[in-house]
Amino acid sequence: DTAVSQTPKYLVTQMGNDKSIKCEQNLGHDTMYWYKQDSKKFLKIMFSYNNKELIINETVPNRFSPKSPDKAHLNLHINSLELGDSAVYFCASSQPGQIFYGYTFGSGTRLTVV
Amino acid sequence: AQTVTQSQPEMSVQEAETVTLSCTYDTSENNYYLFWYKQPPSRQMILVIRQEAYKQQNATENRFSVNFQKAAKSFSLKISDSQLGDTAMYFCAFMKPSSYNTDKLIFGTGTRLQVFP
Repeated sequence: DTAVSQTPKYLVTQMGNDKSIKCEQNLGHDTMYWYKQDSKKFLKIMFSYNNKELIINETVPNRFSPKSPDKAHLNLHINSLELGDSAVYFCASSQPGQIFYGYTFGSGTRLTVV
Repeated sequence: AQTVTQSQPEMSVQEAETVTLSCTYDTSENNYYLFWYKQPPSRQMILVIRQEAYKQQNATENRFSVNFQKAAKSFSLKISDSQLGDTAMYFCAFMKPSSYNTDKLIFGTGTRLQVFP
């Protein structure tokens, strides 16, 4: 039973399209995150949500809009995709007060914009 | 702002040997957490080991151990008896705990480790 699951695992799309990546966690965690891993493997936080409330927004373009319908789900919608959006996007979760245990990551979504 | 530096982009080691990956960080905080994550070719991010800054004792998890030098802001990872399955990218990460759920993992640029038979 996967703890943090992302769909799809791979996404190939054309410039200008709109796409969504879904994330679900069954760990009962209150906090969820989106991270972007670029072509040089650098990981950077994009957003965090705590119990459906946006907590961190790291100067991400407005074309990226996270949505959290409940604390177990955090989706990422991207409008007007650009070539530079090609990356691996990771969802993660953690529990406030237990962050010493680190984050649990999903397996990532490789987005390729052509 | 906190930064994490991994100065070795690539390392290689022979099976059964020991290798040490370096990590330094910059912070003015006194209380924080440090982590090493492993990312094999499968892309999955796997937590290897963690350290609390207020604990002087170095963390150990089986073949993995750290050398935590708080004054020097250094957090190196030692892998003993290297195995082929240790081949992966290794990321050092820093986190400052927050009362307002604004904690975030800050990653270094990673070290690609290749274990040779």
